[in-house]
Amino acid sequence: KQEVTQIPAALSVPEGENLVLNCSFTDSAIYNLQWFRQDPGKGLTSLLLIQSSQREQTSGRLNASLDKSSGRSTLYIAASQPGDSATYLCAVRGAGSYQLTFGKGTKLSVIP
Amino acid sequence: DGGITQSPKYLFRKEGQNVTLSCEQNLNHDAMYWYRQDPGQGLRLIYYSQIVNDFQKGDIAEGYSVSREKKESFPLTVTSAQKNPTAFYLCASSIEGSGETQYFGPGTRLLVL
Repeated sequence: KQEVTQIPAALSVPEGENLVLNCSFTDSAIYNLQWFRQDPGKGLTSLLLIQSSQREQTSGRLNASLDKSSGRSTLYIAASQPGDSATYLCAVRGAGSYQLTFGKGTKLSVIP
Repeated sequence: DGGITQSPKYLFRKEGQNVTLSCEQNLNHDAMYWYRQDPGQGLRLIYYSQIVNDFQKGDIAEGYSVSREKKESFPLTVTSAQKNPTAFYLCASSIEGSGETQYFGPGTRLLVL
């Protein structure tokens, strides 16, 4: 059974810093990996989706990488801003499956 | 505006009562999903549907039921058999078969009186 782990569980950084969030998964037979953002009490917002054949995706200040063989993905946030404060969730879709398996998330606080 | 709507935002359930959470999408997506989120936990899949009049159980389907009579709608009923229903419920939809992302609604928080 696929398991997704996100480290750290919480992170606090000063504004302007570059930061990396980590995601690891146990079964490398994946269809894609997605990063989501969740604000308190809200639904999820999709940030980036990486297909299993891709190595990375970029959107603005965000860059997500995927190393399927090692079961790892990272989300890089450049020049962090207080508005980036949220919980970031990693989710993996298994090959041949319609299910997403989620990590527990990393709660990010960017201090002005 | 295209998107997913969930109602109500807050729902209170009495002991032994069945309650239904609404999920509607106007994105013309084929697939729809229901997830449960508990504090400090990742999202867990309750049910999903790839097409009208068809749905499959997820990891934690016990105590829940769904229907998919229309492409746009995927209501979730929390039955009295669900002994620990207090949670945040999220509905999502996606275009299936293309590896597209899932789009999420704003959620419904269910509380037990």
